[in-house]
Amino acid sequence: QVTLRESGPALVKPTQTLTLTCTFSGFSLSTGGVCVSWFRQPPGMALEWLARIDWDDDKYYSTSLKTSLTISKDTSKNQVVLRVANMGPVDTATYYCARTMAEADGAYFDYWGQGILVTVSS
Amino acid sequence: QSGLTQPASVSGSPGQSITISCTGTSSDVGRYNLVSWYQQYPGKAPKLMIYKGSKRPSGVSDRFSGSQSGNTASLTISGLQAEDEADYYCCSYAGIRTYVLGTGTKVTVL
Repeated sequence: QVTLRESGPALVKPTQTLTLTCTFSGFSLSTGGVCVSWFRQPPGMALEWLARIDWDDDKYYSTSLKTSLTISKDTSKNQVVLRVANMGPVDTATYYCARTMAEADGAYFDYWGQGILVTVSS
Repeated sequence: QSGLTQPASVSGSPGQSITISCTGTSSDVGRYNLVSWYQQYPGKAPKLMIYKGSKRPSGVSDRFSGSQSGNTASLTISGLQAEDEADYYCCSYAGIRTYVLGTGTKVTVL
């Protein structure tokens, strides 16, 4: 059974760095083709893809947020960490992690965590 | 990079068929032909409904089908049911190691 769960602070101050952890079970991030991605969704708005980390530690980032994002993994702990630097009010959103299956003919996000709402406010 | 264009809302009566469009460009939808679709209920996480354009994950009703022509992908829901009322998002690989999602469509069952 594949599960993912996001954890981290519910409230951060402007200019702070947000650190979110995705803890998963039911799969290994050392298996070829297996990746984990992060998304976010501001209240009442659309989903936005943020970053992806692969089984071989390859990393992908949103072009518009590339300078603010850092993704990393700890395979032994079954965890993926996303850091978002210099948080501002526009970064208030529900953040999701999702297992990503990267196959030769395409990738897709087949299991999702429940999400964590992060509010940016002083 | 702007999102893929979806209609803001689509509605239909129970039993009818509806189609949600997802329009991109020759750099994403038109180039990679690998669109996936996600269903999201209010306050819940998205759920994969279609991947690689037209494949259904195990457990997803065969009332859901996906297709693509040129720069536009489509999700069709046949035999519309009350439980299909949700938001739907498309997603495409956009090259340069990034992904782009659609603007989202709210499906209403009349």
